[in-house]
Amino acid sequence: DVKVTQSSRYLVKRTGEKVFLECVQDMDHENMFWYRQDPGLGLRLIYFSYDVKMKEKGDIPEGYSVSREKKERFSLILESASTNQTSMYLCASKRQGNSNQPQHFGDGTRLSIL
Amino acid sequence: GDSVTQMEGPVTLSEEACLTINCTYTATGYPSLFWYVQYPGEGLQLLLKATKADDKGSNKGFEATYRKETTSFHLEKGSVQVSDSAVYFCALLNTGFQKLVFGTGTRLLVSP
Repeated sequence: DVKVTQSSRYLVKRTGEKVFLECVQDMDHENMFWYRQDPGLGLRLIYFSYDVKMKEKGDIPEGYSVSREKKERFSLILESASTNQTSMYLCASKRQGNSNQPQHFGDGTRLSIL
Repeated sequence: GDSVTQMEGPVTLSEEACLTINCTYTATGYPSLFWYVQYPGEGLQLLLKATKADDKGSNKGFEATYRKETTSFHLEKGSVQVSDSAVYFCALLNTGFQKLVFGTGTRLLVSP
């Protein structure tokens, strides 16, 4: 079974801090994704990566950046955290190429910015 | 652009009732369609999928049929259980793209 592991289930940070959310997958997937989930808005794509050192903006990239130095790890960075970035963050991975392949999700990180 | 519309929740049912959660989509081409489920405190899990028109996806008693003529992929179950209480997301993946497009999710609450 595919395992996508997010480093923290719950995280509390202060406004202005630089925040790192880490995600690791163990199935050698090429594609990795970061979403945020908010009530009434569903999942919105922040960034995704289709290969090491490659990244593309999703629908809501403002205030975020990402890093993919190794194939199995995809980091989301909040450059200067703000209260409107309080949310549930979900990481996912997928094998590239076949659009029938599903995305596999981690359990999420619930981030609170005070 | 591509989009997915789901019925608003919460959907509240008694155990053993029939379930339908509506999902319609707008997309160019021939997308694959998915239902994901999110149990409390967990990430999303793939529930079922369909990759072409008239395909039926099924898993754990849930079913959904890919209807191209009505651009729909409604989720159904004949008899729900308390353990089915969760948030259900409809999603599409268009040919040549790697990004899923999600609906807003529908919360299902099943009481004993």
